[in-house]
Amino acid sequence: DTGVSQNPRHKITKRGQNVTFRCDPISEHNRLYWYRQTLGQGPEFLTYFQNEAQLEKSRLLSDRFSAERPKGSFSTLEIQRTEQGDSAMYLCASSFPRGTGGPEQYFGPGTRLTVT
Amino acid sequence: AQTVTQSQPEMSVQEAETVTLSCTYDTSESDYYLFWYKQPPSRQMILVIRQEAYKQQNATENRFSVNFQKAAKSFSLKISDSQLGDAAMYFCAYRSANSGYALNFGKGTSLLVTP
Repeated sequence: DTGVSQNPRHKITKRGQNVTFRCDPISEHNRLYWYRQTLGQGPEFLTYFQNEAQLEKSRLLSDRFSAERPKGSFSTLEIQRTEQGDSAMYLCASSFPRGTGGPEQYFGPGTRLTVT
Repeated sequence: AQTVTQSQPEMSVQEAETVTLSCTYDTSESDYYLFWYKQPPSRQMILVIRQEAYKQQNATENRFSVNFQKAAKSFSLKISDSQLGDAAMYFCAYRSANSGYALNFGKGTSLLVTP
């Protein structure tokens, strides 16, 4: 296993369209996180899954955003009715179960979204 | 919510020299983790070093070491013998040990390494 992977790496869409991103975590990690990073800023937390359960959501995750992790493996992040303010890098990370590894999160390469 | 502040937007260091990046954080918790992540241009974020708040000893990883001052809520990163490959954005991050798993990041410091 070579790490967290994300697809697509780049997405250009028109305002109002829906987009979906996919994240495949490191196989032995049961926790999965989504972050958003805008230019010149650090990543901001969006949501977190433990296995298939979504346990924490940020206030940044408006009702146009939905994330799923149906079988506790890969996850998808969907943005409906995209707005220009949604343009950002969307990062996925994963981490070990509690007690089996360190607290650090391992990041994927990100999906860069541009809304025109 | 915990806030993380990186007061140096940009830093520059010559190859083989030492540089220190600053980070302060605000929290009322006693048990937490601190991290430094590196994000090279157009490449993914990788962990540089981590520190558990309950440990008094400063973490070290090869050329990277931290100065963790818990009372002052300060967590600086020292890079020794700087290399061209160290050029990147460096982010300081905080994670609670007991209330949630989200990482709170600072705004980052851009490190330039000159030959």
